[in-house]
Amino acid sequence: DQQVKQNSPSLSVQEGRISILNCDYTNSMFDYFLWYKKYPAEGPTFLISISSIKDKNEDGRFTVFLNKSAKHLSLHIVPSQPGDSAVYFCAASGTGGTSYGKLTFGQGTILTVHP
Amino acid sequence: DAGVTQSPTHLIKTRGQQVTLRCSPKSGHDTVSWYQQALGQGPQFIFQYYEEEERQRGNFPDRFSGHQFPNYSSELNVNALLLGDSALYLCASSLPTGNSRYEQYFGPGTRLTVT
Repeated sequence: DQQVKQNSPSLSVQEGRISILNCDYTNSMFDYFLWYKKYPAEGPTFLISISSIKDKNEDGRFTVFLNKSAKHLSLHIVPSQPGDSAVYFCAASGTGGTSYGKLTFGQGTILTVHP
Repeated sequence: DAGVTQSPTHLIKTRGQQVTLRCSPKSGHDTVSWYQQALGQGPQFIFQYYEEEERQRGNFPDRFSGHQFPNYSSELNVNALLLGDSALYLCASSLPTGNSRYEQYFGPGTRLTVT
């Protein structure tokens, strides 16, 4: 039962253009969402997060959008740079009383930014 | 400021054997979570340790056990290894409260191969 899904295994964009990575979830108890980036031979690195009380969060070139009714979130990278080439994971968690930070991850999307 | 460290980097074991993986959390962090990442998949939550006790557990059999020491470092033990246990094992550290529970810092992982 895949509660967090990233349906695009890969995405290729030109340097300077926008990258849009998508993520869908099924568990209604999820109310905190994160994006992690992973380079080869390194662990995932936290990128940006959003709480379900918001529909948008921005940090520099990175913006995450949340559509709760559609159970969908997306990560926008503008402008994309070759150094952004990595695997991007969407993750989700509930924040209820017994939630201690268990993250449920999607399968990941490989982003390649061409110079 | 040392980040999350894991040892060993790579490990090859035979089916039926037992293995111990080690993790030192980021300085200042007292909560350690373990994840299993199979090839082509996202990380899957195994369990989390806080104050030397298992605080939360994912859908993994009892063959997977852990320990946290007074200095917050942690071990993951897997008994009676199966071929399907071959994966990258990631350790993540965090603080126990607030949004810091979710914005976890990951180590580079231990690649376990079971033959």
